[in-house]
Amino acid sequence: NAGVTQTPKFQVLKTGQSMTLQCAQDMNHEYMSWYRQDPGMGLRLIHYSVGAGITDQGEVPNGYNVSRSTTEDFPLRLLSAAPSQTSVYFCASSYSRGRAEAFFGQGTRLTVV
Amino acid sequence: GQQVMQIPQYQHVQEGEDFTTYCNSSTTLSNIQWYKQRPGGHPVFLIQLVKSGEVKKQKRLTFQFGEAKKNSSLHITATQTTDVGTYFCAGLWEGAQKLVFGQGTRLTINP
Repeated sequence: NAGVTQTPKFQVLKTGQSMTLQCAQDMNHEYMSWYRQDPGMGLRLIHYSVGAGITDQGEVPNGYNVSRSTTEDFPLRLLSAAPSQTSVYFCASSYSRGRAEAFFGQGTRLTVV
Repeated sequence: GQQVMQIPQYQHVQEGEDFTTYCNSSTTLSNIQWYKQRPGGHPVFLIQLVKSGEVKKQKRLTFQFGEAKKNSSLHITATQTTDVGTYFCAGLWEGAQKLVFGQGTRLTINP
């Protein structure tokens, strides 16, 4: 049982490049979410999904896109990377939105130069 | 928007001292969760509180949910070096679809 798997663990992008952060869970959780973590800012919600085909915006959605074609996968796309998107990104999944334990992936450390 | 304020942002203690972090919401929460993140790691779930006035204990950790369900605290008795990390609260409001995290309290310990 792998839990929540994020890839890659580290990434360096040039300004303007695009990329997709991958997130997969094998617990059959309906609720998945993406957070970014910056020093002193805690965990800020980017986008979330309450099930396949359903996504919604969190606190800081600008510059990011998501899709949820399957229960297992919830990729996060950066369309045109900016230095302000330098951060650590965490994907999380849970059985129920906010009412059950959230399982986090190991994180992706992204640097945009 | 809805948010939880967590204080203090940083806390440095001597090993063996107690530690407390607090979370506050301006509106009534449905439930609150607590997570711990070790340096370089990912957040790990500690506990969930749902009932007004609820108190739960896990060994040296005591979690409380206020009577009005607007505040919560995590208290660690006699800290150990293994307690080092950042502690986050995360709140959910009735009818909301998303968990909102506090800013976290970073605990460092002098052995």
